[in-house]
Order: sequence, then structure tokens, then C-alpha cells
Amino acid sequence: GAVVSQHPSRVICKSGTSVKIECRSLDFQATTMFWYRQFPKQSLMLMATSNEGSKATYEQGVEKDKFLINHASLTLSTLTVTSAHPEDSSFYICSAQHGTEKGYTFGSGTRLTVV
Amino acid sequence: QKEVEQDPGPLSVPEGAIVSLNCTYSNSAFQYFMWYRQYSRKGPELLMYTYSSGNKEDGRFTAQVDKSSKYISLFIRDSQPSDSATYLCAMMGGNEKLTFGTGTRLTIIP
Repeated sequence: GAVVSQHPSRVICKSGTSVKIECRSLDFQATTMFWYRQFPKQSLMLMATSNEGSKATYEQGVEKDKFLINHASLTLSTLTVTSAHPEDSSFYICSAQHGTEKGYTFGSGTRLTVV
Repeated sequence: QKEVEQDPGPLSVPEGAIVSLNCTYSNSAFQYFMWYRQYSRKGPELLMYTYSSGNKEDGRFTAQVDKSSKYISLFIRDSQPSDSATYLCAMMGGNEKLTFGTGTRLTIIP
């Protein structure tokens, strides 16, 4: 089946620094990828939709200058958390659509801790 | 009111029991209904999805959708300890975006 690889799985950074998270679709091309964040015991909240070759579409309330998304190729999307603060600590997950399948494939997630 | 409501549990059942997980929703535009399983600190794994109302079966798992009641269910037969996880319902309308429930934490007791 379709596999989405997400790295790193865990990262700890100092407040004020930037962190990049990668999401790769393996063995398939993904024109659209999605980025979510999940707080403990809460649901996944969609942050943005990443489209290959164009600007990402951000959900209401998500700061596009803080959460930079780049989808430079059909197999790679990156999320950069800029000037991270402790409140940005969360579980970030990407997903991709495989063909026309409605059940998107998710990466394994990245746990970000900002100290 | 949230678009998708899901009892967070926790739910504990003995091994071999039938598990029933449910979600309700308010958005009539939802057409696709998914169930995901999420183990601790991992990404969600798609179990199955259905389009519109009806039933769908895959091994020990059965998904039901009742659009008239805006109610969906996931049944797990012959539950196993390895089924212990958080189960998330998710729904999609014409905008191709998934809206998730909060998830139900399930524990199967050996």
C-alpha cells in the first residue's frame, strides 16, 4: 500500500529557533499533501493544504508566516516552524492522497518540543 | 457545536467481545466516512471508508453509515489486545478535507 514517510519523528529545539519537518510519499506522487497538528487527547486539526508547485492554503487562524510550507516536488512537502515558542510544542502529522483514494495516507508524525 | 462528535472514552472491554464505536455529525455535506486507528505517538492508519449510507465489512471490522440520522459506527468482532488503540472517525465533503472526531481510546483486556 501507499506509504508516507515523515521525519524527524521527534525533535527538541530551543525557543526562537526554526525546525523543518519533511513528508515524503514513497512510490507514488502526491500533488496534494495536508499538514495537521494534534494536541494530547485531542483531534487532528488541519493546518494547511500543500499543493505541488503553488502556494499552500492555510486554515483560518493558522499563521502562514510562522508555519512555512513548501511543496517543491510531487513526493516532498516540508513544514518549517519558524521562531518556535513553547506553545508550538505539539504533534505534527502530514498526509497525502494516493491517486483518487479518499482515505488519505498519514505519516508517522513528528513530536516537537520547544524548550 | 462541533461538526463531528465522538465519545473520547476510555472504553475497556474483555478480549473476544464485540466493540461498538460511534460518531455523530452535523454537516450534511459529508459524503465519505472513514475510520482510522492510531497507536500512541504514531500517525493514523486508515481502517476503512464508506461512501454515503450503508454497511461495509472488512475482516473483523464493519462500518455503518446512517446519513438520515447523521450517525456512523464501527464494530470490531472478536476483539484482540492488539486492537487496543485510539479510533478516530473522519468525514469528508466536496472540499476534499478531512474533519476528525476527537477519537475514542479503546483497551482490550486479555
